[in-house]
Amino acid sequence: GQSLEQPSEVTAVEGAIVQINCTYQTSGFYGLSWYQQHDGGAPTFLSYNALDGLEETGRFSSFLSRSDSYGYLLLQELQMKDSASYFCAVPWDGGYQKVTFGTGTKLQVIP
Amino acid sequence: EAQVTQNPRYLITVTGKKLTVTCSQNMNHEYMSWYRQDPGLGLRQIYYSMNVEVTDKGDVPEGYKVSRKEKRNFPLILESPSPNQTSLYFCASSLLQGENTEAFFGQGTRLTVV
Repeated sequence: GQSLEQPSEVTAVEGAIVQINCTYQTSGFYGLSWYQQHDGGAPTFLSYNALDGLEETGRFSSFLSRSDSYGYLLLQELQMKDSASYFCAVPWDGGYQKVTFGTGTKLQVIP
Repeated sequence: EAQVTQNPRYLITVTGKKLTVTCSQNMNHEYMSWYRQDPGLGLRQIYYSMNVEVTDKGDVPEGYKVSRKEKRNFPLILESPSPNQTSLYFCASSLLQGENTEAFFGQGTRLTVV
């Protein structure tokens, strides 16, 4: 089956940089997505990596290493509003029709 | 405004009483999916649909049904709800589940089965 592992909780200081890791095991790999979810809210899309390397979108960057089955989300210049849960996800099953999410990393940003 | 709309947002029901949670999207997306979210388990896919009349099981389909008669709508049906289906449910849509595919999520339906 598919499995993704993420740390359950991370705490970081406002203004700092934090990295949230995700290791995966899938049958057929197409790419790694990242979603943000605030308490009581819906998940929102942050990024997608299909190829190795770093993708940057403003304060957020996402990295993928297919050979290591590993990716991470990098959040820079942390703000209090970044306190949320972050999920990695992979599409799989042939035409990438099914999706498996990690169990999520709860990020707490402290002053 | 592009959005995915779920109804109801909150629902308390009794064991065995059939219910339907509706999901509608206005983005002309082919792909729609249902997830349940439980503490410590993340989001788990229940069913998905690649297009009208094309549906298939996700990771946790037992106890659920879906239909896709129109492109915009993808209702989730619980024929005989049980307490273990108490959960937070999300509907999502995307153009196609593939490269760089952003999924748009509804606001969620919190279901309690007593």
